[in-house]
Amino acid sequence: NAGVTQTPKFQVLKTGQSMTLQCAQDMNHNSMYWYRQDPGMGLRLIYYSASEGTTDKGEVPNGYNVSRLNKREFSLRLESAAPSQTSVYFCASSESGVKGNEQFFGPGTRLTVL
Amino acid sequence: GDSVTQMEGPVTLSEEAFLTINCTYTATGYPSLFWYVQYPGEGLQLLLKATKADDKGSNKGFEATYRKETTSFHLEKGSVQVSDSAVYFCARTTGGNNRLAFGKGNQVVVIP
Repeated sequence: NAGVTQTPKFQVLKTGQSMTLQCAQDMNHNSMYWYRQDPGMGLRLIYYSASEGTTDKGEVPNGYNVSRLNKREFSLRLESAAPSQTSVYFCASSESGVKGNEQFFGPGTRLTVL
Repeated sequence: GDSVTQMEGPVTLSEEAFLTINCTYTATGYPSLFWYVQYPGEGLQLLLKATKADDKGSNKGFEATYRKETTSFHLEKGSVQVSDSAVYFCARTTGGNNRLAFGKGNQVVVIP
């Protein structure tokens, strides 16, 4: 049981390049999330998917797109990377509709945009 | 909107000292409350949770009590170890329990 996996672990991009961050979970969870973590800012929600086939914007969606490929996989795409998108990105998953259900986090992707 | 406030700044203390990290939340709805811990280079993992008023969550010697009257969920540990050095995040459910709102986190450094 791998939990939540993310690829790649590290990435360096030049301004204007594009890339996709991959996330997969093997816990049969309905809901999945993408966060970014910046110093002194805590975790901020970029996009989430409450269930397969649905996606919604979070707190900081500008410059990102997402795809809920199937129940297991939820990808985050940067179409034209900017230095402001330098951050650590975390994917998470959880059951939905259950009070107090926790989110399970992946190990993160450390992205630097030059 | 729903938010969580954690005390400012890192916390540095000696091994076996008492740890308290303050957390308050906006009093909207009936949220569940969580403490997550992040060890260096890793993702967040759940430390403890409470789902209703007066519940006490506990794990690995850490405790937190859901206080509705003071909208607080302070984290405590009686005797910290070097291995407790990490970043601690307080969080509450929001958006119909489908999402979490996180505090900014507190870096805890335990010195031998």
